[in-house]
Amino acid sequence: AQSVTQLGSHVSVSEGALVLLRCNYSSSVPPYLFWYVQYPNQGLQLLLKYTSAATLVKGINGFEAEFKKSETSFHLTKPSAHMSDAAEYFCAVINAGGTSYGKLTFGQGTILTVHP
Amino acid sequence: DVKVTQSSRYLVKRTGEKVFLECVQDMDHENMFWYRQDPGLGLRLIYFSYDVKMKEKGDIPEGYSVSREKKERFSLILESASTNQTSMYLCASSLVEDNSPLHFGNGTRLTVT
Repeated sequence: AQSVTQLGSHVSVSEGALVLLRCNYSSSVPPYLFWYVQYPNQGLQLLLKYTSAATLVKGINGFEAEFKKSETSFHLTKPSAHMSDAAEYFCAVINAGGTSYGKLTFGQGTILTVHP
Repeated sequence: DVKVTQSSRYLVKRTGEKVFLECVQDMDHENMFWYRQDPGLGLRLIYFSYDVKMKEKGDIPEGYSVSREKKERFSLILESASTNQTSMYLCASSLVEDNSPLHFGNGTRLTVT
């Protein structure tokens, strides 16, 4: 079975500050991990994904995430927040066993607010 | 560019009505999914399909059914809508490989009164 826990349903930062969104996963086999972003009234779009190559993954809009197997974590960071980063962020996991039919398990989501 | 289109952005239906939510993808993807999104609960999988006419239950299939007669189209059916099915419904598609990302539509916000 696979599961994802996102720590903190709401995160608030000032413009220019570091963004850190936490994600911990549980998986019985090596996982693939994803971060998605959802802007108001839109569907989800892919920020970045980890698929067992480099443990530090760079995504769009200056975001990156580091896969840490020992901590079962895949936290999302951005050095300097921008007002346009305000959105809801979802972490997702899938077992990399080839039998999952692409079924992702999503976390509960973290709403990021950016203050001027 | 990849595109997943959901037929309606907003729907208002009455309790007991049969409701159809339509989704079309233009990427020749094998997999298609219906998720339900509720505040604080994230996305929960209702049904998915990995091929034409194939369907599998997700985590919360009760009260729903699906149809996939053509590869590009995946329909979600609420047989008899209830107020607890008021929610945002998201359709997604992907290639068959597990490391392929999901591509989402913009969602349908359904209100059942």
